[in-house]
Formats: sequence, structure tokens, C-alpha cells
Amino acid sequence: SQKIEQNSEALNIQEGKTATLTCNYTNYSPAYLQWYRQDPGRGPVFLLLIRENEKEKRKERLKVTFDTTLKQSLFHITASQPADSATYLCALEADGNNRLAFGKGNQVVVIP
Amino acid sequence: NAGVTQTPKFQVLKTGQSMTLQCAQDMNHEYMSWYRQDPGMGLRLIHYSVGAGITDQGEVPNGYNVSRSTTEDFPLRLLSAAPSQTSVYFCASRRAHHRTDTQYFGPGTRLTVL
Repeated sequence: SQKIEQNSEALNIQEGKTATLTCNYTNYSPAYLQWYRQDPGRGPVFLLLIRENEKEKRKERLKVTFDTTLKQSLFHITASQPADSATYLCALEADGNNRLAFGKGNQVVVIP
Repeated sequence: NAGVTQTPKFQVLKTGQSMTLQCAQDMNHEYMSWYRQDPGMGLRLIHYSVGAGITDQGEVPNGYNVSRSTTEDFPLRLLSAAPSQTSVYFCASRRAHHRTDTQYFGPGTRLTVL
């Protein structure tokens, strides 16, 4: 069966350190993968997209990698700040019909 | 631009009642979709539309109807609400012909069915 797995345990991290989140998938062949941020009581907000032929993508303090052999994406927040505390969702192309499938999300708590 | 708007923000229904969740976008996006988010389940696709007059089912369509008469609006109808439909509902939109374009989400509707 198809699965997208993100760590269900919250990641508690000290301010200034790098937070790293993992997204593993099974039985998908996505042409791209996306990461979203979701704050409590709000809708997800798009952060980054990485295509299957890209190994790494950066945006300010965010970095995403995509390994299609391992079927895994890593999401890094460098120099983390308390304002980075949120839940981060991984999403990937589920099929050729424009449909996205989402992981359950991974909460990050940045401790001042 | 207001982006993607959803109404109402909160709703309580009794089992068997019907209602429509409203979604509108002002970005001229062809692709619109409805998701539900439940604790521990992640976002699941209910229905989606690639343009006015075209809709299709997602992962969990049972109990929900949609229509798309205009580019801007994509309402979600619950015909006979059930407690299992208690959830947070998100509408999203993006340009259809660019699969990798940014998807914009609305603020959500929190629905409780008693």
C-alpha cells in the first residue's frame, strides 16, 4: 500500500541549532515533493518544492533534499528560531492527475 | 488579492442535517480541491476540480458533493451529516496547467457533527 511517513514525535530543538525532519514514502513515484508549514488553527502554507531531478533546494534558512533511490526527503531549518515552531507537512505528487498526497506532519518546537 | 477564502469558520450540525461549505478564490486558478484534516490522519483529498464544469473524486469522497459552475467558487456539500464527518476542512487552489505551482490553502472550516 502507499504510505508517506513523517515522525509522529515532536522535535524539540534549542534556538540556533539545525532542525532536520524526514519524509519517507512507499509505492509512489513522485515527479516532485513539497513541504508546507502549518500553524495551529490555520491552513498549510507552501514552503518549498523539489523535483525528482534535483538533489537539493534552498530558500533562506530552509534546505530540502530529495533522494529517489532511498525514497526520502530531508527538510532542514538552520539557525532555528522560536518563530519556526510549527508543524511541517510533506506532500508529494500522488499520480498524474494533479493530486497531492500528504504526510501526517511533524511538529517542531524551538526552545529559546 | 484575498487569496482563498472559506466560510463559515466554525459550524455545528446535528446528524442528518445538510450544509454547504463555501470556498472562493480570486487568483483565477483553474485547479481547486477540498481536503479534510483529522488528528493523526493528515490531509486527505475529498474532491477536486481542474476547471469550471469539471470535478472528480479524491481519496475520501463518500458523503460529499461538489460542483464548479464558476472558476472562482467551489462549494462542498454535506447531504446528510454524520459524526464521522467531524473534521477541519480546507479548500486549496493553484493553476492547473502547472503541476508544480504553489498551492494556496484557505483558513479552514471546523465542523462538528453531533
